[in-house]
Amino acid sequence: DAKTTQPPSMDCAEGRAANLPCNHSTISGNEYVYWYRQIHSQGPQYIIHGLKNNETNEMASLIITEDRKSSTLILPHATLRDTAVYYCIVRVFNDYKLSFGAGTTVTVRA
Amino acid sequence: EAQVTQNPRYLITVTGKKLTVTCSQNMNHEYMSWYRQDPGLGLRQIYYSMNVEATDKGDVPEGYKVSRKEKRNFPLILESPSPNQTSLYFCASSSKTDSYEQYFGPGTRLTVT
Repeated sequence: DAKTTQPPSMDCAEGRAANLPCNHSTISGNEYVYWYRQIHSQGPQYIIHGLKNNETNEMASLIITEDRKSSTLILPHATLRDTAVYYCIVRVFNDYKLSFGAGTTVTVRA
Repeated sequence: EAQVTQNPRYLITVTGKKLTVTCSQNMNHEYMSWYRQDPGLGLRQIYYSMNVEATDKGDVPEGYKVSRKEKRNFPLILESPSPNQTSLYFCASSSKTDSYEQYFGPGTRLTVT
């Protein structure tokens, strides 16, 4: 069962912010939102995670709506190296399994 | 450098010839896992291990075996490979205490003819 819904693809101009939406309307109270990305058949890479507060790290920001039914990953200044498939994943914190959906293919254009 | 390594990175083999894909991590992680990735099907978990001598099936375990005799190693064994096991394989590991971040290996591209 798909727990998240993401657009299949999006384009972004280099140097601009990329805003990646994710819908998780059936999220439970103890489930976190995680974001990973996969650059061209490399191993997936962890980006960020959050429960209900907005989070920021050196790679990105995560904005979670107050009702927690959706979130947005923000890449503040996209570069060509950010071209990748981005996965939004919902899971309980200590559930080690990651259930990957189709993700969003982000293409950053010069 | 903290990393997960896999070997080989590329392998072409024939149906029925037993093979092993090795996975090793240097982060003293308790949890390790194998995924396969196929076009249109995404990443699917094959097997996972919560610690030494503790392994369990994931979503697609048929045709695969694993073992966890040492904490750092988690080999994937295909005793009789078939063409439908042609895929891109990833090993991953994470700490029990910081389980939010899983570290993935670089992948092994397997072709079974």
